[in-house]
Amino acid sequence: EDQVTQSPEALRLQEGESSSLNCSYTVSGLRGLFWYRQDPGKGPEFLFTLYSAGEEKEKERLKATLTKKESFLHITAPKPEDSATYLCAVRGGKLIFGQGTELSVKP
Amino acid sequence: GAVVSQHPSWVICKSGTSVKIECRSLDFQATTMFWYRQFPKQSLMLMATSNEGSKATYEQGVEKDKFLINHASLTLSTLTVTSAHPEDSSFYICSGGAGAYNEQFFGPGTRLTVL
Repeated sequence: EDQVTQSPEALRLQEGESSSLNCSYTVSGLRGLFWYRQDPGKGPEFLFTLYSAGEEKEKERLKATLTKKESFLHITAPKPEDSATYLCAVRGGKLIFGQGTELSVKP
Repeated sequence: GAVVSQHPSWVICKSGTSVKIECRSLDFQATTMFWYRQFPKQSLMLMATSNEGSKATYEQGVEKDKFLINHASLTLSTLTVTSAHPEDSSFYICSGGAGAYNEQFFGPGTRLTVL
């Protein structure tokens, strides 16, 4: 059975304090790993697609990496506006979401 | 990225009434659209997959007679919650596939409250 587990469930950072979010997965035939950002009361906003182990993608303060078992979302020098829930999803057959990591960045 | 809209953004209705939610892909054509629901502090749960011009495929445990889905065109899918009850209150989100790798792009969601 395809599974996605994100950790930690919640993360509190000070502004400028870099950290990483983890997404561990098991899937039969990975057809993509996706990272989304979701603000309260809104739909998920697409961030990255990763397809093969060793792949990396960057966008502003965010960098996503992928291995055969997990993906990391690295946040460098975060700002308060980076506060949101970050969702990881994998596609084997259908798209399966993890529970998300709620990130809070304090000034 | 591709843009998806939903209407309405929120709705309050009485128990027993039906509510229709529209999902539109604004700048791309979506052969397939997806409907999710999300409870507070929980992740997205796929309800059904909507294919243009054919019947939707529902996930296990989702009542197809209660959640009617119509995908009339490549840019419009609708979800009708029939005879809504308070337990149907939730955040409903649609998405459409686009891009080189068929990434899913999500709408802003619809907050349904059934009194």
